[in-house]
Amino acid sequence: GAGVSQTPSNKVTEKGKYVELRCDPISGHTALYWYRQSLGQGPEFLIYFQGTGAADDSGLPNDRFFAVRPEGSVSTLKIQRTERGDSAVYLCASSLLPRHTDTQYFGPGTRLTVL
Amino acid sequence: AQSVAQPEDQVNVAEGNPLTVKCTYSVSGNPYLFWYVQYPNRGLQFLLKYITGDNLVKGSYGFEAEFNKSQTSFHLKKPSALVSDSALYFCAVRDGDNFNKFYFGSGTKLNVKP
Repeated sequence: GAGVSQTPSNKVTEKGKYVELRCDPISGHTALYWYRQSLGQGPEFLIYFQGTGAADDSGLPNDRFFAVRPEGSVSTLKIQRTERGDSAVYLCASSLLPRHTDTQYFGPGTRLTVL
Repeated sequence: AQSVAQPEDQVNVAEGNPLTVKCTYSVSGNPYLFWYVQYPNRGLQFLLKYITGDNLVKGSYGFEAEFNKSQTSFHLKKPSALVSDSALYFCAVRDGDNFNKFYFGSGTKLNVKP
């Protein structure tokens, strides 16, 4: 079946601009996660959705970052006033349920470059 | 604090030889441990996980991992490496007290030479 998809695969923007990154989880998965992966590092947790609500947004670095999941399926990560330090690969993952036993399945990521 | 350590940035092995990629962890609750593999320009692919039960876990592509509670380790192993196993490997832990998020190691690059 279809896996997690993310669009765009690459995004180049200028400092100060606004960007939106989209994630389409595996059908039927209720839990959705966003991570950020900087060069040479492992992914770092940003935010987790259970259904439509953000159940844990403790990883968002500041208030320029925001994410929504209005219908409990597709999610959008929004970054305002982008900075060069925001350049990274943004990964989305989904799992059937938010149980500790459930595997998270990752999308291919969106590579964001802020010039 | 929860954390994962992968002490080797890179592991080099010859094709056909056994391989080990090391991982140690620190959590406050029960650990739930995962291994993922990442190929260039691809997302993370799930390999295997330890939840409970047998300390030796078998996963995809002939990989296995051994959970050792006393050493807080979860090393990834394969009896006979293939060139196609060359990739970036990530260990991740989920804390049983707060299982919303994974904590990832920094990754180990596996190079399998023909």
